[in-house]
Amino acid sequence: AQKITQTQPGMFVQEKEAVTLDCTYDTSDPSYGLFWYKQPSSGEMIFLIYQGSYDQQNATEGRYSLNFQKARKSANLVISASQLGDSAMYFCAMREVPSGNTPLVFGKGTRLSVIA
Amino acid sequence: GAVVSQHPSWVICKSGTSVKIECRSLDFQATTMFWYRQFPKQSLMLMATSNEGSKATYEQGVEKDKFLINHASLTLSTLTVTSAHPEDSSFYICSASYGTGYTFGSGTRLTVV
Repeated sequence: AQKITQTQPGMFVQEKEAVTLDCTYDTSDPSYGLFWYKQPSSGEMIFLIYQGSYDQQNATEGRYSLNFQKARKSANLVISASQLGDSAMYFCAMREVPSGNTPLVFGKGTRLSVIA
Repeated sequence: GAVVSQHPSWVICKSGTSVKIECRSLDFQATTMFWYRQFPKQSLMLMATSNEGSKATYEQGVEKDKFLINHASLTLSTLTVTSAHPEDSSFYICSASYGTGYTFGSGTRLTVV
């Protein structure tokens, strides 16, 4: 079964508009971490934002915020004021246990295209 | 901090030859290194987990004799693709846990001709 589901293969957004990238996850572990990464065409993985399962507040990092709905098992990424440089692949990922020595499991990704 | 340096960035090799990819943690000790493979327009798929000083743990379907992983020190993990074939052409990327997060190498684009 898919641990991380990203249902939007591709998204378009007008420059300066906000966009939401969807992510749902599946785990029975009460302690987990959710990550979002940006991957431009160069291939590097750029960390954007992290949400722990016990965090009370939704995570925010500059123009990025995570809409964490625990009961729905969703962790959508919101990018505000989109810029042309935001065009890239975006991956949602999960770590199921608190230990750092556990690999991330990635969703299939969403390709975001920002239009001028 | 927490930089992983991955080399080479890209490599082209002939079918049947072997290729070694290195990941070095520059400013921290990476007890565990994760190796991923990414085919074009696809996600990152975990190949194996390597722990310093012990044998790597491979994911189901990954040939351990073909993808040799060595993690001989706390700062160096290597992936050797042996007897490479065109279907091994892919983007390979390493990752190490650091604190509560992860740091990634810059990836290696392997093309087997």
